[in-house]
Amino acid sequence: DIQMTQSPSSLSASVGDRVTITCRASQSISSYLNWYQQKPGKAPKLLIYAASSLQSGVPSRFSGSGSGTDFTLTISSLQPEDFATYYCQQSYSTPRSFGQGTKLEIK
Amino acid sequence: QVQLVQSGAEVKKPGASVKVSCKASGYTFTSYDINWVRQATGQGLEWMGWMNPNSGNTGYAQKFQGRVTMTRNTSISTAYMELSSLRSEDTAVYYCARRRQYGYSSSSEVMDVWGKGTTVTVSS
Repeated sequence: DIQMTQSPSSLSASVGDRVTITCRASQSISSYLNWYQQKPGKAPKLLIYAASSLQSGVPSRFSGSGSGTDFTLTISSLQPEDFATYYCQQSYSTPRSFGQGTKLEIK
Repeated sequence: QVQLVQSGAEVKKPGASVKVSCKASGYTFTSYDINWVRQATGQGLEWMGWMNPNSGNTGYAQKFQGRVTMTRNTSISTAYMELSSLRSEDTAVYYCARRRQYGYSSSSEVMDVWGKGTTVTVSS
């Protein structure tokens, strides 16, 4: 099974900051990496797929990069509505697996 | 609009079974696989398995093999996830999510539409 490890587990930042979250796979997953945002009490929401493709309707301040085992999610200028938990997920092999999540909090 | 509507919260005793439903609307139910993902309180997301509503084919995470059954009723565009031999560790929110493919590879997939979740509490 492929293990997904995110860092950091939590992050404090201010509105307007640039933030980067990292996700590492235990083996190469090519570009089969997706990012989701989850707010308390809500279902996850797809942000980025195929490592760097922006889901329709997602603001352009979100971007993704990477391939192989190392990936990043970047938010260029944090907005109040971006404070949430972010998960990476690999679709390279079964079982599908998620990172443990990165909680983004207001500083 | 495209949506997945899940059944309501359940409270079960250890050893019992639970069956969660997920009704699709706004798209052709048989054209997209359904994934099931669960989340214990304060914890991360855990993939349980998938089902093809057209064929009924399924694939389960090893952890749930023998305890989980995913089925569907195409006449009412509804997917089901049944988990048996419940224990306290199964207390979680259970989500269904539509699988959308964006490329030719079977790995080119996302979970693009999610239900709101069904809370299952296992307690004696």
